[in-house]
Amino acid sequence: KAGVTQTPRYLIKTRGQQVTLSCSPISGHRSVSWYQQTPGQGLQFLFEYFSETQRNKGNFPGRFSGRQFSNSRSEMNVSTLELGDSALYLCASSLPSAGDLHSGNTIYFGEGSWLTVV
Amino acid sequence: EDQVTQSPEALRLQEGESSSLNCSYTVSGLRGLFWYRQDPGKGPEFLFTLYSAGEEKEKERLKATLTKKESFLHITAPKPEDSATYLCAVQPSNNAGNMLTFGGGTRLMVKP
Repeated sequence: KAGVTQTPRYLIKTRGQQVTLSCSPISGHRSVSWYQQTPGQGLQFLFEYFSETQRNKGNFPGRFSGRQFSNSRSEMNVSTLELGDSALYLCASSLPSAGDLHSGNTIYFGEGSWLTVV
Repeated sequence: EDQVTQSPEALRLQEGESSSLNCSYTVSGLRGLFWYRQDPGKGPEFLFTLYSAGEEKEKERLKATLTKKESFLHITAPKPEDSATYLCAVQPSNNAGNMLTFGGGTRLMVKP
């Protein structure tokens, strides 16, 4: 069973540009979440999508956006890039009720996309 | 606001020297507490989910336990390949989604 797939793995962008990252969840998983990981702030939740709808949103500016397609694949976009956006962006997928005692589901992460803004 | 604090930030052990990692949490209601292992340059790898106080789960040299305020990850007779960053995260019960709040992690180094 394939895991969570993220593309691209590495990319370098210039300040002011925009970037789009892609995530293919595990087959059958309809919940996709995005996280930003930096040495200073650790892992921080960006947003979650379920059935093409944003279900939760973290405390990030509007430059960070995302969407989910009917096949559960998701993309996130960062516009007007800043140096501080340099980070590892992680995608996670799960069945709808991960963490529920009765479902026993869990949340799986991809390998991430390394973004460097110069 | 949900908060997760992990200690110590870094831990150096000799091979075979058992120890414990701590994860203290504050959450309005706990749906699940997750432990992940992360190797440099890679995404977090799922280890355990704990749901209620008193619960314990084991996997090879690792055992995770949960109380109402904290969780411990016990490492018995560690090997160099156990070197990694261990992350703890909580999922609140007042949210229908799959949003996790992470601690800062404990970087474990096991010397041969």
